[in-house]
Amino acid sequence: GQQLNQSPQSMFIQEGEDVSMNCTSSSIFNTWLWYKQDPGEGPVLLIALYKAGELTSNGRLTAQFGITRKDSFLNISASIPSDVGIYFCAGPRGAQKLVFGQGTRLTINP
Amino acid sequence: SAVISQKPSRDICQRGTSLTIQCQVDSQVTMMFWYRQQPGQSLTLIATANQGSEATYESGFVIDKFPISRPNLTFSTLTVSNMSPEDSSIYLCSVEGGKGSTEAFFGQGTRLTVV
Repeated sequence: GQQLNQSPQSMFIQEGEDVSMNCTSSSIFNTWLWYKQDPGEGPVLLIALYKAGELTSNGRLTAQFGITRKDSFLNISASIPSDVGIYFCAGPRGAQKLVFGQGTRLTINP
Repeated sequence: SAVISQKPSRDICQRGTSLTIQCQVDSQVTMMFWYRQQPGQSLTLIATANQGSEATYESGFVIDKFPISRPNLTFSTLTVSNMSPEDSSIYLCSVEGGKGSTEAFFGQGTRLTVV
């Protein structure tokens, strides 16, 4: 079945640094979604990508849909303490079901 | 986006017992989904719940263990039956972002600990 490989699994950075994480798939996706999960909460949708090559921003977040349709990356610029959490990529697997990457746990040192 | 409320937010249960988790949405949705997130892991789809029909379960999940109800377009329940410590997880309710939309929105989750 479809699997998403997300890396890195964890990141430890200083406040103010930029962050980059990516997701790859063994098969083609028509949509890429990026979510963030805070402790004790459900995932919250950050960015949705629908077109190969698409580059979309949401504040300090930027995500791109890879040209091959098998990968996507998420960048966070000038990180702040509230960026701490787990970031998941996700893609559709059949009728509106989603498959998720393993997650990237972001820790920020002030 | 829809507002999704789950109850309880957390519980500690004895092994062998069952827990029913409720999910309430503030708008009518066709499809509702139940996910499991084991400690430190990603999200795995348990089943899809459509109103008026039986839930569709993913490989590795069965109705006897995770019975689901979907009595109307704004509500669903997931029961975790005959619990064991391996069932300790976060259980998440999710709804589609709109008719035909790939995007999904999540409740805050139910953190279950089985002792």
